[in-house]
Amino acid sequence: KNEVEQSPQNLTAQEGEFITINCSYSVGISALHWLQQHPGGGIVSLFMLSSGKKKHGRLIATINIQEKHSSLHITASHPRDSAVYICALSTLIQGAQKLVFGQGTRLTINP
Amino acid sequence: KAGVTQTPRYLIKTRGQQVTLSCSPISGHRSVSWYQQTPGQGLQFLFEYFSETQRNKGNFPGRFSGRQFSNSRSEMNVSTLELGDSALYLCASSLAGAGEAFFGQGTRLTVV
Repeated sequence: KNEVEQSPQNLTAQEGEFITINCSYSVGISALHWLQQHPGGGIVSLFMLSSGKKKHGRLIATINIQEKHSSLHITASHPRDSAVYICALSTLIQGAQKLVFGQGTRLTINP
Repeated sequence: KAGVTQTPRYLIKTRGQQVTLSCSPISGHRSVSWYQQTPGQGLQFLFEYFSETQRNKGNFPGRFSGRQFSNSRSEMNVSTLELGDSALYLCASSLAGAGEAFFGQGTRLTVV
């Protein structure tokens, strides 16, 4: 069983819809990252969470440490939000961060 | 403030050759991590360097190696290339290893 599972794997929605992407994990972590990857490969860090909730514009990320679950929400989705969203677990080994990645959720927002 | 810079962006190599990829971190960042992304395996951790020392290594064969220079720039080397090494190689920098990671655009390596 993978240490981190994302769902859904693929998601297609209409512009304006509320989007939720889920991430469940099975190991202890120091933090959880949500990343965005556009075609072409570059990755952008959206959030780093160790507890609670963070908001940036139309993006909201939450984490429940006890339930080992995190969600990424996008409000008023737009075609430019189309990308792959990746959840990554952060563990610290000898002070060094090691990231373990989910398989990603491919989001397509149609106009 | 300049972001993480990876060079080259694209590379085509022949089986058996070796390749060196470069990563320049954000100014002031001392930790550089390397990742391999393939369609089948997704993103996987290769290794992490901090102050010229490798602190962490993923499950990759010894053909994959790296180093970090005193200015925090890092290089990754793959020797005796195999077709399966074709992938997007990403590096990320952070201040001290923990905390938010900033990714480069990646180097897309194709082995033919």
